Amino acid sequence: DVKVTQSSRYLVKRTGEKVFLECVQDMDHENMFWYRQDPGLGLRLIYFSYDVKMKEKGDIPEGYSVSREKKERFSLILESASTNQTSMYLCASRFGASTKNIQYFGAGTRLSVL
Amino acid sequence: AQSVTQPDIHITVSEGASLELRCNYSYGATPYLFWYVQSPGQGLQLLLKYFSGDTLVQGIKGFEAEFKRSQSSFNLRKPSVHWSDAAEYFCAVGLGGATNKLIFGTGTLLAVQP
Repeated sequence: DVKVTQSSRYLVKRTGEKVFLECVQDMDHENMFWYRQDPGLGLRLIYFSYDVKMKEKGDIPEGYSVSREKKERFSLILESASTNQTSMYLCASRFGASTKNIQYFGAGTRLSVL
Repeated sequence: AQSVTQPDIHITVSEGASLELRCNYSYGATPYLFWYVQSPGQGLQLLLKYFSGDTLVQGIKGFEAEFKRSQSSFNLRKPSVHWSDAAEYFCAVGLGGATNKLIFGTGTLLAVQP
């Protein structure tokens, strides 16, 4: 079974803090994704990565950056957290580039920025 | 622009009743279509997918979906709902070409009455 693990289920941070959300997958997948999930908006893609040290902006990259130094790990960084970044964050991984291939999701990190 | 519409935000059904969740998409080419389910506090799990061929596809947990090109729809069905089916359901379209990403609908929250 593919396992995508997000290091924290819940995080509470203060405005202006630098926040790291970590995601690890154990299936040697090339592609990894970060989504943000908000009620009534579904999932929106923040960033994705095709391979180590490669990244592409998704639909809502503003206020976020990412890091992929190792194939199994994809980090989402909030450089200066703001209250409007309070949300559920989901990480996913996928084998290969084709959208036919299934994306496997982690359990999510619920971030509150106070 | 590509989009996915799930017109029902919230649906309540009685246990044992049949279920149909609606999904309409807008995409110029033949789409790759997916249904995911998110149980409370969990990440997303793939229920089923459609790429080509038989327009009625079977998935896990007794779910099925039918692709109707003329209606740009991919509705999810289950003949008899169980209390454990209470969850949020997301329809998604896979974009091909250079983007290789999924576009998600806004989700339908299913409640099951005893």
